[in-house]
Amino acid sequence: QQQVKQSPQSLIVQKGGISIINCAYENTAFDYFPWYQQFPGKGPALLIAIRPDVSEKKEGRFTISFNKSAKQFSLHIMDSQPGDSATYFCVGTSGSRLTFGEGTQLTVNP
Amino acid sequence: DAGVIQSPRHEVTEMGQEVTLRCKPISGHNSLFWYRQTMMRGLELLIYFNNNVPIDDSGMPEDRFSAKMPNASFSTLKIQPSEPRDSAVYFCASSLAFSPEKLFFGSGTQLSVL
Repeated sequence: QQQVKQSPQSLIVQKGGISIINCAYENTAFDYFPWYQQFPGKGPALLIAIRPDVSEKKEGRFTISFNKSAKQFSLHIMDSQPGDSATYFCVGTSGSRLTFGEGTQLTVNP
Repeated sequence: DAGVIQSPRHEVTEMGQEVTLRCKPISGHNSLFWYRQTMMRGLELLIYFNNNVPIDDSGMPEDRFSAKMPNASFSTLKIQPSEPRDSAVYFCASSLAFSPEKLFFGSGTQLSVL
């Protein structure tokens, strides 16, 4: 009930390509869906987030698509850059409790 | 603001020793979280505090783990006695109570128990 399933586990994309990471959740009590980005040696940092009453949110090259009926959401990174190489976590939140997905290690080749 | 400050950055200890990890949250933040990150289990919430009061400690693995928040600017996570399976990166994070989904993480403490 608490899990957030994330795929793929790792992703390699060429510079300028589109990176897509998918997540599925079970807990219908989740009320906010952030994505966190983590660079090696650092803690995760909030990247972008969406509420379940919205189907899409775009911030620069980053877009979240949300399908409430399917209980799925995804992160799209347009024009991927080597500096985007990091681990990305999708998250479901219920109150103060955040449930992290397993993470996707993204590598963007120059 | 310097962000969430954790110390030490690295800790190497021997099995059976006591380990204390420290955290200074962002000034003004009233929620504080301790997470553990491993390859096998990912990011796990251990405990979180609201206004210095422990709210949910269901993620604390066992009685060897304890956490305190004596005031709004300081928290500790203690492991006594430590075991090799406790080896992980431990993160502290803080947030404002009205936006709990926006966590600010520290850089973590890499703990190795030999």
